[in-house]
Amino acid sequence: EDQVTQSPEALRLQEGESSSLNCSYTVSGLRGLFWYRQDPGKGPEFLFTLYSAGEEKEKERLKATLTKKESFLHITAPKPEDSATYLCAVQQSAGNKLTFGGGTRVLVKP
Amino acid sequence: DSGVTQTPKHLITATGQRVTLRCSPRSGDLSVYWYQQSLDQGLQFLIQYYNGEERAKGNILERFSAQQFPDLHSELNLSSLELEDSALYFCASSPSGDFQETQYFGPGTRLLVL
Repeated sequence: EDQVTQSPEALRLQEGESSSLNCSYTVSGLRGLFWYRQDPGKGPEFLFTLYSAGEEKEKERLKATLTKKESFLHITAPKPEDSATYLCAVQQSAGNKLTFGGGTRVLVKP
Repeated sequence: DSGVTQTPKHLITATGQRVTLRCSPRSGDLSVYWYQQSLDQGLQFLIQYYNGEERAKGNILERFSAQQFPDLHSELNLSSLELEDSALYFCASSPSGDFQETQYFGPGTRLLVL
């Protein structure tokens, strides 16, 4: 069965303090790994898709990387508006469903 | 704004009742997905429809059912409601429903069963 584990569960950062979030996965035949941002009470907002080990994608202060067993979301010099829950999801070769991790709650204090 | 709309935003009902949640996908998207998000379970995939037909099933209870109409909007029907059905229900859409496509999520319907 597909498993997606995110760590840490929660992260408190000072503004400007860079950090990384981890998403480790066990899936037979990874077809895509997705990162979403979710604000309280709202739907997940798409950030990145990674398809193969070694791939990297960047958007503003966020950078996602992928290895064969895990993905990292690096937040560089975060601002308070980066506070959110970051969700990782994997899609396996059989079927179209996304399997989500539990998320990492990030709080950036000014 | 993802372009996916969901109604109602909030729903309060009693155990044993039945409710219908509605979703309109982004313009041009043929595939709709339903997810349930509760505090203890996280985001769980329920079911996927593509152009009116069921394409994939996840952890959907037998008390729950869904359909997608010719105009591509979708409805999720929840019946014989129990307390543990209280959760956020999200709809997502994508162009063709193929794997590797990005799914865009709606704002969700918050269901409270008392």
